[in-house]
Amino acid sequence: KNEVEQSPQNLTAQEGEFITINCSYSVGISALHWLQQHPGGGIVSLFMLSSGKKKHGRLIATINIQEKHSSLHITASHPRDSAVYICAVPHYGGSQGNLIFGKGTKLSVKP
Amino acid sequence: NAGVTQTPKFRVLKTGQSMTLLCAQDMNHEYMYWYRQDPGMGLRLIHYSVGEGTTAKGEVPDGYNVSRLKKQNFLLGLESAAPSQTSVYFCASSKGTGSTEAFFGQGTRLTVV
Repeated sequence: KNEVEQSPQNLTAQEGEFITINCSYSVGISALHWLQQHPGGGIVSLFMLSSGKKKHGRLIATINIQEKHSSLHITASHPRDSAVYICAVPHYGGSQGNLIFGKGTKLSVKP
Repeated sequence: NAGVTQTPKFRVLKTGQSMTLLCAQDMNHEYMYWYRQDPGMGLRLIHYSVGEGTTAKGEVPDGYNVSRLKKQNFLLGLESAAPSQTSVYFCASSKGTGSTEAFFGQGTRLTVV
């Protein structure tokens, strides 16, 4: 089973700061997912990437397949970015097709 | 587009009561999943389905049953609720395996007293 570790668990930032959230996993993968969950809300897919870097607005996700590591960056952070960010990788073995999730990083951006 | 819709959004049950959570998706996805989310833990797979008429157990299936009679719907049942089943439940669907994008419902917050 793939193990997914995220750091930090909690992160408080001032508005405008550059933020980095890290994710490492134990078994080689074909894709990695970054998800966002607002307080009391549903879960939204931000990125799915298998190599290199992807950018969407102020969010950037990178992955290093050899090092089994991914990072999510937020530039010019804003209070509306306050949420839990979750890293997930595919489960391998069998036909499940489900994801294995990290415990999440709770981000709070102060104005 | 509705995407993935879960009902109900909130529910309080007494120990021993039964209930069914409904998940509906309008994206013609083959794969559907039920997860539970508990404080300090990542989402854990309860049951899943790889197509209409098929279901299988995930990581934490005890105390739950599921059915997928129609491709767009995936039902999660609790036959006799226990306080340990207090959790937030998420349904998800995807076109294929974990290397395809997953879509999640808004969650169902269940409290068993």
